[in-house]
Amino acid sequence: DIQLTQSPSFLSASVGDRVTIPCRASQGISRYLAWYQQKPGKAPKLLIYSASTLQSGVPSRFSGSGSGTEFTLTISSLQPEDFATYYCQQLNSYPRTFGQGTKVEIK
Amino acid sequence: QVQLQESGPGLVKPSETLSLTCTVSGGSVSSGSYYWNWIRQPPGKGLEWIGYIYYRGSTNYNPSLKSRVTISVDPSKNQFSLQLTSVTAADTAVYYCARDTGYGDPFHYWGQGTLLTVSS
Repeated sequence: DIQLTQSPSFLSASVGDRVTIPCRASQGISRYLAWYQQKPGKAPKLLIYSASTLQSGVPSRFSGSGSGTEFTLTISSLQPEDFATYYCQQLNSYPRTFGQGTKVEIK
Repeated sequence: QVQLQESGPGLVKPSETLSLTCTVSGGSVSSGSYYWNWIRQPPGKGLEWIGYIYYRGSTNYNPSLKSRVTISVDPSKNQFSLQLTSVTAADTAVYYCARDTGYGDPFHYWGQGTLLTVSS
């Protein structure tokens, strides 16, 4: 199985901050990576796929980068509605696996 | 717009079999384009992919659960289902159904999730 590591598990930030969330794969996955946002009691929401393609309707302050084993989700200017948990997911092979999540909290 | 809706008993006793259903609207489970997935999330923890069924009935399961999992499809009801045998408290989770196209595609559409608790 491909392991995805998200560190840190918790991140404190303020409204307006630029936030970067890393995701590292245990082996190369080309650009087969997606990012999801999850709020309490809700299903995950797709933000980005193919490492950097913004899902329709997702604000442009979200962006993704990386390939191979190193990936990053960036929020250019954190908004109040962005406080949530973010998960990466590899789409290179089965079983599909997720990172353990990074919770973005209010500083 | 595709919508997915999970349904299930809410509570299952240890050692019993868990059965959940995902009802699809706005699209057909018989479409050759899509894979129909189950994912779960224990309370306060991360996401675990359980498996998928393709419209022709082919399946792929997470090796960690493969011995206990069966995913099936009922085109007449536009539903697909999950069965998990010999459940324990570790199977307590929110269970989600979701759709993708395989081929490196993410889960664009998710159900809202259903909490299943394993307890005597």
